[in-house]
Parts: sequence; structure tokens; C-alpha cells
Amino acid sequence: GPKVLQIPSHQIIDMGQMVTLNCDPVSNHLYFYWYKQILGQQMEFLVNFYNGKVMEKSKLFKDQFSVERPDGSYFTLKIQPTALEDSAVYFCASSFMGGDEQYFGPGTRLTVL
Amino acid sequence: QQQVRQSPQSLTVWEGETAILNCSYENSAFDYFPWYQQFPGEGPALLIAIRSVSDKKEDGRFTIFFNKREKKLSLHITDSQPGDSATYFCAALGGGTGSKLSFGKGAKLTVSP
Repeated sequence: GPKVLQIPSHQIIDMGQMVTLNCDPVSNHLYFYWYKQILGQQMEFLVNFYNGKVMEKSKLFKDQFSVERPDGSYFTLKIQPTALEDSAVYFCASSFMGGDEQYFGPGTRLTVL
Repeated sequence: QQQVRQSPQSLTVWEGETAILNCSYENSAFDYFPWYQQFPGEGPALLIAIRSVSDKKEDGRFTIFFNKREKKLSLHITDSQPGDSATYFCAALGGGTGSKLSFGKGAKLTVSP
């Protein structure tokens, strides 16, 4: 199926530092998403993004979080500053239309020490 | 509040048997139900999906049965193979939830040869 790429696959940082997670979505997709999965728990929606704007966000999408996709490059999730509870696997997804099939990347495992 | 529930949490079947994974949901506005297959260390892969206007969707060995009245659905995997061993997530989307997927906690399937 369509491929979503995520860079890096793992990231270890100290609490309080900034981190940027990168996503290369499917080329013709217009909607982009971030989900968070803590070990052993279900995937939780963070945010979706369309036409340069955040469309929806959950309560997990704290003020320290931001997303952007400058000029069709990577779709990024930035956390500044990080907290211990941000440790999780973050999955990027994309879809052609909202409410359409969402395709997920392999995830970035973030460890905050 | 858990919007999507899955049972059982884990299931073991013999090769060649039919595995049945169950899912139920709370929000009657949900109208799109994808199932994702996830192998360890990988992102969830879209396996098969159904819309609420249908009561059955088949793709090879994978079939979704959907009961709108009871807000339940199930994934049947016929002629199970060891390569089907993975975690399966039921998800739901639609209505007032916009384009964000609500996931169940997953069901770990083991197919023994």
C-alpha cells in the first residue's frame, strides 16, 4: 500500500529539550495526522492538518506541541519543551481526503529522560 | 471514555482455523470502520475497512461483519496462517469526530503452526 516515512525511528532526549519528529506523507495526500501510542495502550489522536492549518486537536495536543508542513516538505511535530510523559511512539498518518483511508508510518519512538 | 472496545485482548488459533476478533463502539455517528494490522516495531497497516451502509466486507481471507443496530463488528480471518500473527486494531471515524480515528486497545493474534 501507500508508504508514509518517518524520521528518525528512535530519539532519546533530555527533559526540557526540543524535539522535531519528521514525516514524509504519501505524495498526493492532503490530510496529515499525528497519533500517540504509549506502550501497551491504544493509539490516541493528537492533531490533524489540512491546507496549512490545524483542523482538529485533542486534549493531548498540549501548548508545547506544534505542527507544520512548510512548502510541501516534511510534516513535522515539534515538542518544546519536552516532558517525561511525552515518551511514546508517535505515528504520522496521511489521507487523500478527510474521513478517508489513513495510511500510517512506522512510528518514531521518543524517549524523554 | 473508551469509544471503541475490542475483545478478546489476545487469541491463539491453530493454522487453518478461523480467527474471530470482536469490536463494539459507543458513538452511533461513527460510519467508517477500518481494521489495522500491526507487527512489532512497525506502524499499523490498513487491512480492510467497512462503511456503515454495508453489513459485510470481504477481501480474500479477511471479512468484516457489521451490525449497526447493535453497534458491533467483527473481523474473521479464515484459514489463519502463522504470518497473520500480529496485533489487530479496530478503529472508527465519522459524524462529529471529524477525521480523527478512535482506536480500540488491540487484539494480539497468535497463529500456531
